[in-house]
Amino acid sequence: DIQMTQSPSSLSASVGDRVTITCRASQSINNHLNWYQQKPGKAPKLLIYAASTLQSGVPSRFSGSGSGTEFTLTISSLQPEDFATYYCQQSYSTFTWTFGQGTNVEIK
Amino acid sequence: QVQLVESGGGLVKPGGSLRLSCAASGFIFSDYYMSWIRQAPGKGLEWVSYISASGSSIYYADSMKGRFTISKDNAENSLYLQLISPRAEDTAVYYCARRRTEAGGHWFFDYWGQGTLVIVSS
Repeated sequence: DIQMTQSPSSLSASVGDRVTITCRASQSINNHLNWYQQKPGKAPKLLIYAASTLQSGVPSRFSGSGSGTEFTLTISSLQPEDFATYYCQQSYSTFTWTFGQGTNVEIK
Repeated sequence: QVQLVESGGGLVKPGGSLRLSCAASGFIFSDYYMSWIRQAPGKGLEWVSYISASGSSIYYADSMKGRFTISKDNAENSLYLQLISPRAEDTAVYYCARRRTEAGGHWFFDYWGQGTLVIVSS
């Protein structure tokens, strides 16, 4: 099975900061990588698919990049509503669809 | 608008049985793959199972094989997950999610339900 590893597991940042989260796959997944945001008590929300395509309605301060085994999610200027947990998910495998363990973005 | 509404969660004894439901509306249900994803308290997301649009293809995470059964009723616009002999470690919020596929074969979960909580305890 393809394993997905995110780093860091958590981070503290201030409003206006640039934040970068990394996701690594245990084997090449080309650009079959999605990012989700989850707030406490809520369902996850799709932010980015195909590694870099912004889902409709998602603010442009979110961006994604990467290919192969290493990917990044960047928030260019952190806003109060962005404090949440972020998950990557590989969509390369036909049979198993794995998520990273999550990155919790907290207020500094 | 697209809506997914889960139900059927609750307290179940280890070794018991429980069936979760997900009622879909606002889209052509028979055109879409659907999936169950769970989240244990304070933990991350864990993919459980998926079923193809017609119901002909089904896959489970290794730890769920033989214990969970996914099914889809396209006439009723409903997705189901039967938990057979659940264990304490199956305690989680269970989400249903719609899988959408874009050009190039890229797919993702674009709509999620609000989740239903399953507690496995004696």
